[in-house]
Amino acid sequence: GQNIDQPTEMTATEGAIVQINCTYQTSGFNGLFWYQQHAGEAPTFLSYNVLDGLEEKGRFSSFLSRSKGYSYLLLKELQMKDSASYLCAADSNYQLIWGAGTKLIIKP
Amino acid sequence: NAGVTQTPKFRILKIGQSMTLQCAQDMNHNYMYWYRQDPGMGLKLIYYSVGAGITDKGEVPNGYNVSRSTTEDFPLRLELAAPSQTSVYFCASSYSSGGGAGEQYFGPGTRLTVT
Repeated sequence: GQNIDQPTEMTATEGAIVQINCTYQTSGFNGLFWYQQHAGEAPTFLSYNVLDGLEEKGRFSSFLSRSKGYSYLLLKELQMKDSASYLCAADSNYQLIWGAGTKLIIKP
Repeated sequence: NAGVTQTPKFRILKIGQSMTLQCAQDMNHNYMYWYRQDPGMGLKLIYYSVGAGITDKGEVPNGYNVSRSTTEDFPLRLELAAPSQTSVYFCASSYSSGGGAGEQYFGPGTRLTVT
């Protein structure tokens, strides 16, 4: 079957670094998306990894290992506005298979 | 560009009523999707379309119907509403040239309550 797992909730301190992990098992895998979703709002795109390795985009980086079925999202220099849910989604046979999301709580 | 638009933003239905959730995109995307998101949960795919005239079921299609007569519009029909359909509904679109689903752009959502 198809499955995506990520932690339900994480807490971090403003200014720190946090890593959100995602493991997946899907067929017809094309790549791995990360989206950010603030409470009461729609998801917005953060990153897309097709090849193995790390992609950096400002304070956010995303890593993919296709052989291990594993990805992570790294957030640096955390700000209070980063408090949100982070959703990983596997691009599989022209659909996205979504994880349940990781709620990130930032403390001052 | 307006992106992906959805109407209405909020709706309260009585059990057994029907309604249509509207979705439109102006980005000439070929793929369109309907999701529902229950509180504290991830997105569940209801239906999707890879082009005008082509639709297919997702993970949770029961109680819903869709049509795609144009590239721009992808309405979702709820027949005989039930309390289990209380949720937030998101429409999304993407462009795919064959290398995957593509980055999905989301509408603002419709918050539906069935009582």
